[in-house]
Amino acid sequence: AQSVAQPEDQVNVAEGNPLTVKCTYSVSGNPYLFWYVQYPNRGLQFLLKYITGDNLVKGSYGFEAEFNKSQTSFHLKKPSALVSDSALYFCAVRGANTDKLIFGTGTRLQVFP
Amino acid sequence: NAGVTQTPKFQVLKTGQSMTLQCAQDMNHNSMYWYRQDPGMGLRLIYYSASEGTTDKGEVPNGYNVSRLNKREFSLRLESAAPSQTSVYFCASSATQTGRRGQPQHFGDGTRLSIL
Repeated sequence: AQSVAQPEDQVNVAEGNPLTVKCTYSVSGNPYLFWYVQYPNRGLQFLLKYITGDNLVKGSYGFEAEFNKSQTSFHLKKPSALVSDSALYFCAVRGANTDKLIFGTGTRLQVFP
Repeated sequence: NAGVTQTPKFQVLKTGQSMTLQCAQDMNHNSMYWYRQDPGMGLRLIYYSASEGTTDKGEVPNGYNVSRLNKREFSLRLESAAPSQTSVYFCASSATQTGRRGQPQHFGDGTRLSIL
């Protein structure tokens, strides 16, 4: 069965510091991996995805994520956090033979000035 | 470009009442989805439609029905609302035709539903 784990409910970081939001997954076959961001009272917005190719993928708003097959991880990163990055972040996985996404429980990122 | 539009944005119901949540997309996507979001539980798939005229149960379908009216519209119906169905409901769509696998889902801004 497919599953996604986001081990941290909340991540706190000072503005200007690098940030990492962790995600691990379990899926049969090659995974399709996604990160989404949710701002208050809004729907989820797509940030980036990994399907195949380079293990480091770049996305919107300066975010990037590193796919690590041996550790079954897909951590979201940003070199320098902004206060405006404060939001709820979701990791999601899709197996190769399905169109359905399985979402993690979300990680709240708080960036302090 | 509207993307995915959900109506209503807010609704309060009494236990036992029925209602239909509406969703429409203008991106010519073939697949559409209904999720519910509850604190600490992420998003859980209620129903899914791969194309017009087809629907499939997701993780938490009990108490809900859906209708894929046409390619643009996918509605979610609560026949007899229960307090456990208090949640935020999101509709999403994606292009999943052959040759477009791996495309992200696009989400509406949700319907906040309270059942008393």
